[in-house]
Amino acid sequence: EAGVAQSPRYKIIEKRQSVAFWCNPISGHATLYWYQQILGQGPKLLIQFQNNGVVDDSQLPKDRFSAERLKGVDSTLKIQPAKLEDSAVYLCASSLGLNTEAFFGQGTRLTVV
Amino acid sequence: TQLLEQSPQFLSIQEGENLTVYCNSSSVFSSLQWYRQEPGEGPVLLVTVVTGGEVKKLKRLTFQFGDARKDSSLHITAAQPGDTGLYLCAGESGNTGKLIFGQGTTLQVKP
Repeated sequence: EAGVAQSPRYKIIEKRQSVAFWCNPISGHATLYWYQQILGQGPKLLIQFQNNGVVDDSQLPKDRFSAERLKGVDSTLKIQPAKLEDSAVYLCASSLGLNTEAFFGQGTRLTVV
Repeated sequence: TQLLEQSPQFLSIQEGENLTVYCNSSSVFSSLQWYRQEPGEGPVLLVTVVTGGEVKKLKRLTFQFGDARKDSSLHITAAQPGDTGLYLCAGESGNTGKLIFGQGTTLQVKP
């Protein structure tokens, strides 16, 4: 069974530029999560989708971050404009439902210079 | 705000030694999960504990959930170099699937 696919694996941008990350969850998984993991810290939930609806985006910095899952499958996370403190690994995870095991992708490592 | 404090943050031991990692909070969680993360990879689930006082064993790893469901521990017996990695605890609040992670414990096991 294919796992959670994320791209790109690495991205380096200058501050104030924009960037987008893509996630393809495991087939049939209704719940999709985006986490931010800053070096030396545990992952922090940014946004949680159930199909194409948002369940929780309370920790998403909405002035610069946006995410969508229009057809309830793939998802994109965008940052515009990026700040130095956005340098982190962005992890996508998916699960069958709200109360089931989440499987993580390999993440996208973003460096903002 | 719910927080999970892990200790120690770093641990470097010799092969064959035992170790315990702690995960503490002032909040009650409906379940607590332990993950292991290797460099360049996403976290991989090791175990989920749900009931207060629950103990689960996974080969040389023993996981315990506190009676009040606020804390947990991970004990590794006779550590091996293959156990090297970042260990993360994560608490689930309610039944939303939302996980609150601790800051992680970096374990290095030297041969």
